[in-house]
Amino acid sequence: GAGVSQSPSNKVTEKGKDVELRCDPISGHTALYWYRQSLGQGLEFLIYFQGNSAPDKSGLPSDRFSAERTGGSVSTLTIQRTQQEDSAVYLCASSPPGRYGYTFGSGTRLTVV
Amino acid sequence: AQKVTQAQTEISVVEKEDVTLDCVYETRDTTYYLFWYKQPPSGELVFLIRRNSFDEQNEISGRYSWNFQKSTSSFNFTITASQVVDSAVYFCALSENSGNTPLVFGKGTRLSVIA
Repeated sequence: GAGVSQSPSNKVTEKGKDVELRCDPISGHTALYWYRQSLGQGLEFLIYFQGNSAPDKSGLPSDRFSAERTGGSVSTLTIQRTQQEDSAVYLCASSPPGRYGYTFGSGTRLTVV
Repeated sequence: AQKVTQAQTEISVVEKEDVTLDCVYETRDTTYYLFWYKQPPSGELVFLIRRNSFDEQNEISGRYSWNFQKSTSSFNFTITASQVVDSAVYFCALSENSGNTPLVFGKGTRLSVIA
């Protein structure tokens, strides 16, 4: 597709369950980023993938959060044993090699009940 | 450490008024990039502008203008003759080096334009 695609768009889960959020970046974009936006807050950086380099995981809030990127394309953000404070919109962005240009997806709204 | 501060949490203006959204940043890098994004009620982030640290020229794009001042570490955004469609949350952001590193965002300013 022409843009960054995220699925699902909405997810409601019970506290304690695991969830997987998917991001399909723009074809050819080597960098991929995950951000979290809690209600009324700015965007909080979670993790960054650049090509084949080891990901920058410095923004992950706890070891319940992990992400992988397969084949340099699709990425999955996994949250284990979800807590109510994990409720937020999770945004993914990608950018092309060698030049600027972040494109954001529409996000996944996660609600933990 | 990098930091972006948007002191204005919410602003409300009447249509056709001019409005300025403030952004103050902190970084130790000499090369960095500043961004503004718009987030309408639909939730998607819309890119507005990118400016590198070596270019202090002000920029105008239609009703939008940006004032970059390194002396005060500010990158303010002005909307002239505001319209209802300008109602959104506006985020200022910073990235270091090439600009393809993670963005550091401010907390955003919610702008409401009233008809």
